[in-house]
Amino acid sequence: EPEVTQTPSHQVTQMGQEVILRCVPISNHLYFYWYRQILGQKVEFLVSFYNNEISEKSEIFDDQFSVERPDGSNFTLKIRSTKLEDSAMYFCASSDLKTGTSATDTQYFGPGTRLTVL
Amino acid sequence: AQKVTQAQTEISVVEKEDVTLDCVYETRDTTYYLFWYKQPPSGELVFLIRRNSFDEQNEISGRYSWNFQKSTSSFNFTITASQVVDSAVYFCALTLNTGNQFYFGTGTSLTVIP
Repeated sequence: EPEVTQTPSHQVTQMGQEVILRCVPISNHLYFYWYRQILGQKVEFLVSFYNNEISEKSEIFDDQFSVERPDGSNFTLKIRSTKLEDSAMYFCASSDLKTGTSATDTQYFGPGTRLTVL
Repeated sequence: AQKVTQAQTEISVVEKEDVTLDCVYETRDTTYYLFWYKQPPSGELVFLIRRNSFDEQNEISGRYSWNFQKSTSSFNFTITASQVVDSAVYFCALTLNTGNQFYFGTGTSLTVIP
């Protein structure tokens, strides 16, 4: 069964450094998402991406964050200058349709990248 | 604004007991979608079920069942004859037809004791 993959599984970085989290969505999917989950807290939406542009973003997704689909398979989240509070699990998700437009679509999540900022 | 509330933060049951996880949502939209995801200790999010606001029919899938009641804005999840492998954090989520972000609840941590 196709699945969303994410690399690395765990990233440790120093405060102020740039990090890039990578995701390979399910191959025929068109909508891509990033979420984060601070340890012990709920999953929070960051951004959705469709047709090579951001379609929706939350207040969390400030100028420190950016997303890109550099080729036909990868979807990346970049944090320019990491802060301690960026430490969290970051989940990538994808769907083949805009969630809610079909009786069968949903967002499929990857296994997550645990980011630790020291 | 949209909101999902999972009032139960932690639940412990003995294996083979039934357990119900509560989910209450808030939205002014008439078209919306509700989900349950399971997060085992390994951390990934596993899709369990999707329900649209026009379909209040309850659903059963093996030991899992879901009770959707628009009158009380609830979408509760019951595990029958719980097993140790059911131990996980369970998240309820809401999305609207007008957008595509998920609004997650805070999750319920279920521990099934052998």
